[in-house]
Amino acid sequence: DGGITQSPKYLFRKEGQNVTLSCEQNLNHDAMYWYRQDPGQGLRLIYYSQIVNDFQKGDIAEGYSVSREKKESFPLTVTSAQKNPTAFYLCASSPGTYLSPLHFGNGTRLTVT
Amino acid sequence: AQKITQTQPGMFVQEKEAVTLDCTYDTSDQSYGLFWYKQPSSGEMIFLIYQGSYDEQNATEGRYSLNFQKARKSANLVISASQLGDSAMYFCAMREGNSGGSNYKLTFGKGTLLTVNP
Repeated sequence: DGGITQSPKYLFRKEGQNVTLSCEQNLNHDAMYWYRQDPGQGLRLIYYSQIVNDFQKGDIAEGYSVSREKKESFPLTVTSAQKNPTAFYLCASSPGTYLSPLHFGNGTRLTVT
Repeated sequence: AQKITQTQPGMFVQEKEAVTLDCTYDTSDQSYGLFWYKQPSSGEMIFLIYQGSYDEQNATEGRYSLNFQKARKSANLVISASQLGDSAMYFCAMREGNSGGSNYKLTFGKGTLLTVNP
């Protein structure tokens, strides 16, 4: 079945450590996205990528980094520079038009202590 | 300024009744898409319904319909015959089509928590 896989579902890290969240899609979508969600809040865009080897900062990119070496994969690294990394992270993909909905993975809940 | 505004933090509805969730948006683009997503407590984002800015008829998908009023810049979600399983967070979102390199971003509102009572 086609879809988006995020792993792991829960992730725990100590403060000061970098951590990488995985996102893989087999929908053959050009565009991929990372969103952050805090309790009781909407989704805020961290980074997005329209094609392989290209990506742009979203609204809250500070303290995060991404790569897009393959069409299927868009990993997100939460660096130690991110001041409040504890959150729910959602990866999404879509065909590359504004008329298309985003398809989301099931999310990774990151807790940093 | 917020691009998507959902003014109802929480809504309650009786099972089998209809409910309307409000959404207003702000854009200067002529081409845009409006989307509604459902997020149950498990966290996944489920796409419900979509309306394009040039669509003349309101979108419908099963029990979901989108009341699109372009002049008012509103895109309210109507859920008919509510079910207990409809209890979830609902997000309105917009994708603008004339913004050059940013036309792929989906901007979300803060959401409305719907509770369906038996």
